[in-house]
Amino acid sequence: DQQVKQNSPSLSVQEGRISILNCDYTNSMFDYFLWYKKYPAEGPTFLISISSIKDKNEDGRFTVFLNKSAKHLSLHIVPSQPGDSAVYFCAANFGNEKLTFGTGTRLTIIP
Amino acid sequence: GAVVSQHPSRVICKSGTSVKIECRSLDFQATTMFWYRQFPKKSLMLMATSNEGSKATYEQGVEKDKFLINHASLTLSTLTVTSAHPEDSSFYICSARDTGGPRLYEQYFGPGTRLTVT
Repeated sequence: DQQVKQNSPSLSVQEGRISILNCDYTNSMFDYFLWYKKYPAEGPTFLISISSIKDKNEDGRFTVFLNKSAKHLSLHIVPSQPGDSAVYFCAANFGNEKLTFGTGTRLTIIP
Repeated sequence: GAVVSQHPSRVICKSGTSVKIECRSLDFQATTMFWYRQFPKKSLMLMATSNEGSKATYEQGVEKDKFLINHASLTLSTLTVTSAHPEDSSFYICSARDTGGPRLYEQYFGPGTRLTVT
């Protein structure tokens, strides 16, 4: 039972344009959502999070949007830079227990 | 802040031997740490939750006698792969939750350990 889904395994975006990564979830009890970025052979690094009581959180070039009615969140990166090329995982938390991760989306920024 | 280290970063061992991987939180205390495994081009698979001073909680399908976890202090958890087989070859990643931090839901990840069993 995949409670957190990232349906796009890969995405290519031109440098300078907006990258939009999507994530869907099924458990309405999740209270925080997080985005992590991962380079090959490295551990994930935290990017940005959002509480379930909010619909938007912004940090520099990164903005996360949450649509609770649709059980959908998205990460916007603008403008996209070559260093943004990585695998992005969304994750969901319930009650400060374990995080549930999506399957990841490989983002490639084309110079 | 919130740095997690893992040692070793790479290890090659022979089939049948045991390998220990260390996970340390360098600048914070972590009563809870997590061990993940990542297969090529796959998501992170949670293996177990490590709790300081108590037994680890293993996910379904993970053999607790094969993957021994010890969380003896607030900054150190170890994963020992016993009687390693080639199919245990993988990328193992630990994470830690900052017990005193403002966001208890957030996990900080180590750089990972590449295990190759020959």
